[in-house]
Amino acid sequence: AQSVTQLDSQVPVFEEAPVELRCNYSSSVSVYLFWYVQYPNQGLQLLLKYLSGSTLVKGINGFEAEFNKSQTSFHLRKPSVHISDTAEYFCAVILYNTDKLIFGTGTRLQVFP
Amino acid sequence: GAGVSQSPSNKVTEKGKDVELRCDPISGHTALYWYRQRLGQGLEFLIYFQGNSAPDKSGLPSDRFSAERTGESVSTLTIQRTQQEDSAVYLCASSSESFNQPQHFGDGTRLSIL
Repeated sequence: AQSVTQLDSQVPVFEEAPVELRCNYSSSVSVYLFWYVQYPNQGLQLLLKYLSGSTLVKGINGFEAEFNKSQTSFHLRKPSVHISDTAEYFCAVILYNTDKLIFGTGTRLQVFP
Repeated sequence: GAGVSQSPSNKVTEKGKDVELRCDPISGHTALYWYRQRLGQGLEFLIYFQGNSAPDKSGLPSDRFSAERTGESVSTLTIQRTQQEDSAVYLCASSSESFNQPQHFGDGTRLSIL
């Protein structure tokens, strides 16, 4: 069965520090990979996605993620976080050529001054 | 059941017709979300309800789209004068609060516009 694992439920960091939010998936078929962010009182917003091509994907707000097929990972990184990055971050996959969306359980990024 | 229920599961209609999609959230969940998902693409956020009110409707693609929620329970998403680009899976999710609580998704309504 396909699944998405976000090992860290919470990640506290200080402002301007680098951060990495981990995401691993398991699937017997190819997948598309996504990171979503949810700010308070809002719905999910797409941060970035990997469909094909370069394994390093750049998204909005200075975030980037790297697809590692051998490790089945798609970790999200930002070199220097801001207070405004405090939010819930969700990793998700869609099985190739389908619209079945599978989410991880989310990681709460808390940025402190 | 205890999960989010959406109906119909599939809807095929002709261009120009109106459609109504229904979402029954988990009982007691105050937050309700509508998303659209095209084949192989990510979620597109449409609208969010906290209780019966929608603080932000800016995600709705056009004025043909509208949504309402009554009794802090059932929500309907209505698309008027459907176009072929409206073809997608429409997903509903609910959560117990608007933030820091997992969203529970329904199985979606697959809408096909001929």
